[in-house]
Amino acid sequence: DTEVTQTPKHLVMGMTNKKSLKCEQHMGHRAMYWYKQKAKKPPELMFVYSYEKLSINESVPSRFSPECPNSSLLNLHLHALQPEDSALYLCASSQFHSLPADTQYFGPGTRLTVL
Amino acid sequence: DAKTTQPPSMDCAEGRAANLPCNHSTISGNEYVYWYRQIHSQGPQYIIHGLKNNETNEMASLIITEDRKSSTLILPHATLRDTAVYYCIITRDDKIIFGKGTRLHILP
Repeated sequence: DTEVTQTPKHLVMGMTNKKSLKCEQHMGHRAMYWYKQKAKKPPELMFVYSYEKLSINESVPSRFSPECPNSSLLNLHLHALQPEDSALYLCASSQFHSLPADTQYFGPGTRLTVL
Repeated sequence: DAKTTQPPSMDCAEGRAANLPCNHSTISGNEYVYWYRQIHSQGPQYIIHGLKNNETNEMASLIITEDRKSSTLILPHATLRDTAVYYCIITRDDKIIFGKGTRLHILP
């Protein structure tokens, strides 16, 4: 099973709302990633978790708060977002977070609209 | 910044081989070449990767030049389902950094 699942598929939220995105994998991978993808642009790395610990934060604003409660789950908590945060949010996992970069498996993404 | 150069778009007739080029002239000795593709509104999908030698799997072949400064992804018999953006990526440290990719159109 090489599947990464993400919920919800679509999310619409106001600027004062708090919401969470969820990502799950059951491949035994120990590294998980969040990417943001704006329309017609390539994905951009946001966060990397390795063995449930945050190892990379690509200078992401604090209104995005990642959480890795266990090795299979990755959450992205959203609070006080701006309309420009509207994008496709992609989760990925890999066996390890290593040098050189390991093959990553992506979920289908959550399409977020901030009103 | 991405360290790869790809044509922004390409066309290929259905049933023919699609050859997607990528230049990576600043590649270092321990950096891998990865290819991913992204079908519209889906997550990126891993295709293949290599270091020095040519590689083949059930999806594609990867041809890397001897000096490693360029590579070609070959889809042997393109179908309409291969229409996607194809990303050639050189791993940087422990990250994959997506460039702009090539939008491949498969023509019926």
